[in-house]
Amino acid sequence: GAVVSQHPSRVICKSGTSVKIECRSLDFQATTMFWYRQFPKQSLMLMATSNEGSKATYEQGVEKDKFLINHASLTLSTLTVTSAHPEDSSFYICSARVSEGGFDDEQYFGPGTRLTVT
Amino acid sequence: AQKVTQAQTEISVVEKEDVTLDCVYETRDTTYYLFWYKQPPSGELVFLIRRNSFDEQNEISGRYSWNFQKSTSSFNFTITASQVVDSAVYFCALKGDYQLIWGAGTKLIIKP
Repeated sequence: GAVVSQHPSRVICKSGTSVKIECRSLDFQATTMFWYRQFPKQSLMLMATSNEGSKATYEQGVEKDKFLINHASLTLSTLTVTSAHPEDSSFYICSARVSEGGFDDEQYFGPGTRLTVT
Repeated sequence: AQKVTQAQTEISVVEKEDVTLDCVYETRDTTYYLFWYKQPPSGELVFLIRRNSFDEQNEISGRYSWNFQKSTSSFNFTITASQVVDSAVYFCALKGDYQLIWGAGTKLIIKP
């Protein structure tokens, strides 16, 4: 089956620094990747949709200047949390979609990245 | 508007009991997909099932079964003879126009 990896799996950083999270589709090309955020004991919240070679589409309320998304290739999307603060601490999950947005396309999820900002 | 409701925040049962997790959805689409995912403490989402709106047949996979009823807009999930390893948060989701609409999740605790 399709595999999506995320790196790192856990990261602790100091307040004010930036952190980059990578999402890779290992055995397929993903024209679209999604970035989710999950707070403890809550559901997944879609942050943005990223299409290869174009700007990401952010959901309402998500600061695009704070959460920089780059989808430079068909197998890699990155999320950079800039000037991180403790309230950015969360579990970040990416998913990758196999095809070009057909109705029955499938999303495959990465294992998640736990970010802790001290 | 599209919405997924998982009214059960947390369920606790003793091992070997059967347990049903409820999922009610709202959509105006005639064609849609419904999903169940398991999220163990490690955090990694585990895909369990995908069901399209045209297929109302119930599905059974080992100890897992799903009951899809369009008449009540429900897609319930039953675990038979629960085991401690089934302890996790379970999410129901609806495939919308281009994104997944997630329920709030149900935390399932299986006590030995």
